[in-house]
Amino acid sequence: KQEVTQIPAALSVPEGENLVLNCSFTDSAIYNLQWFRQDPGKGLTSLLLIQSSQREQTSGRLNASLDKSSGRSTLYIAASQPGDSATYLCAVFSGGYNKLIFGAGTRLAVHP
Amino acid sequence: EPEVTQTPSHQVTQMGQEVILRCVPISNHLYFYWYRQILGQKVEFLVSFYNNEISEKSEIFDDQFSVERPDGSNFTLKIRSTKLEDSAMYFCASSASPSSETQYFGPGTRLLVL
Repeated sequence: KQEVTQIPAALSVPEGENLVLNCSFTDSAIYNLQWFRQDPGKGLTSLLLIQSSQREQTSGRLNASLDKSSGRSTLYIAASQPGDSATYLCAVFSGGYNKLIFGAGTRLAVHP
Repeated sequence: EPEVTQTPSHQVTQMGQEVILRCVPISNHLYFYWYRQILGQKVEFLVSFYNNEISEKSEIFDDQFSVERPDGSNFTLKIRSTKLEDSAMYFCASSASPSSETQYFGPGTRLLVL
C-alpha cells in the first residue's frame, strides 16, 4: 500500500531564506509526483509535476527533485517571501492505483 | 487559462438529506476525480471516472455515494443520505492523461452536515 510522508510538518522561517521540504513514498513504482500549494480553506494549486523518468523540474523560485529508487522528493524554495506562506502537499500517482495519494503536508510560515 | 469549477462553494445540510456537488472539468480532459479533505486531515481519494464509468473507488465510496456525467460538461457527486462524518471539503479534479499530465483541482465545496 502506497504511503506518503512529509517532513517537517511545519516550518517557520524569516523572509529571504532558502528552504527544503521533504516528501517520501513507500512504493517506488510511480508514474509521477506532483507538488501542490494549499492556502487556508482553499483549493489545491499545482506547482510542479515530475514524471518518473525525470530527476527535477523548475518553475521560477521552485525546484523539485525526484529520486524514485529511494522513494524521495524535495521541493526547494529559493529566497522565500511572506506570500509563500501556505501548506505544501506532495502527491504520487501510482499506476496500480489510478489516483493521487497525498502526504499530510508541510505548513510553511515566512515572516517579514 | 482553463480551470476546474465547482458549485456550490459551501453547502449546509441536515443529516439524512441528499446532496449533489457539481463540477465542470477542463473541457478537453477525459479523466475525472473526486477527493475529499476532512478538516485537519490529508486529502483522500474517493473515486476516479473515465469513459463514462468508475475506474476506481476507495473504501469510503460506499453505496451512499454515486457519480455521474449527465452531459458533456458536468461531473457530479451525489451523497444519498448524508452523515455527520461526511462534513469535509470536496475537491473535483481532471486530467488529460493521469500518468503523464497534471491533475487540476477545483476550488472545492465545503460541505457541513448538521
